[in-house]
Amino acid sequence: ETGVTQSPTHLIKTRGQQVTLRCSSQSGHNTVSWYQQALGQGPQFIFQYYREEENGRGNFPPRFSGLQFPNYSSELNVNALELDDSALYLCASSLVGPATDTQYFGPGTRLTVL
Amino acid sequence: DQQVKQNSPSLSVQEGRISILNCDYTNSMFDYFLWYKKYPAEGPTFLISISSIKDKNEDGRFTVFLNKSAKHLSLHIVPSQPGDSAVYFCAASLQTGANNLFFGTGTRLTVIP
Repeated sequence: ETGVTQSPTHLIKTRGQQVTLRCSSQSGHNTVSWYQQALGQGPQFIFQYYREEENGRGNFPPRFSGLQFPNYSSELNVNALELDDSALYLCASSLVGPATDTQYFGPGTRLTVL
Repeated sequence: DQQVKQNSPSLSVQEGRISILNCDYTNSMFDYFLWYKKYPAEGPTFLISISSIKDKNEDGRFTVFLNKSAKHLSLHIVPSQPGDSAVYFCAASLQTGANNLFFGTGTRLTVIP
């Protein structure tokens, strides 16, 4: 059973650019959630995808968008990057069902916006 | 609006002693609570969880206690080991909707050999 993987590990972009981050869910999981963790803070929920549809969204602007594919892998896209977007981006997968709220996280992608 | 709070940024404990990490929440609708451990350059690792219908859940050296009336939960680690040194995050979720997690800001635990 493989865990959650993310790519790339690190990324440096300049303000105004666009970025795509990728995530492969843990085997058997049908739900993926994305979180942003700023320095010294806890992760903050961006959005969740379930069966390729957005299933909830946190307080993030529309320039943060996502996709989930039939194999349950996922992408996070951020347009018009701002300096404050510099953070660790975490992907978490889970299996939606009764009392199965445990989310399993990948190692994250460290994004730096200059 | 921080709905999950960890008021102690850091905690130091001697090896073999008990570590107690605390967490408070404000949203009475939260019904599932989790603790995650995070090492540098890694994602959070799930440790233990508890449903709101319980007040205690135990898994080896780790026990989580939930006091719903006080909106407080705690993680006990007994005995503490140097390998437990990490940042611990408390998280909460609602059973409805996206089941997204609301995280605290974390407590850095240092276990001194």
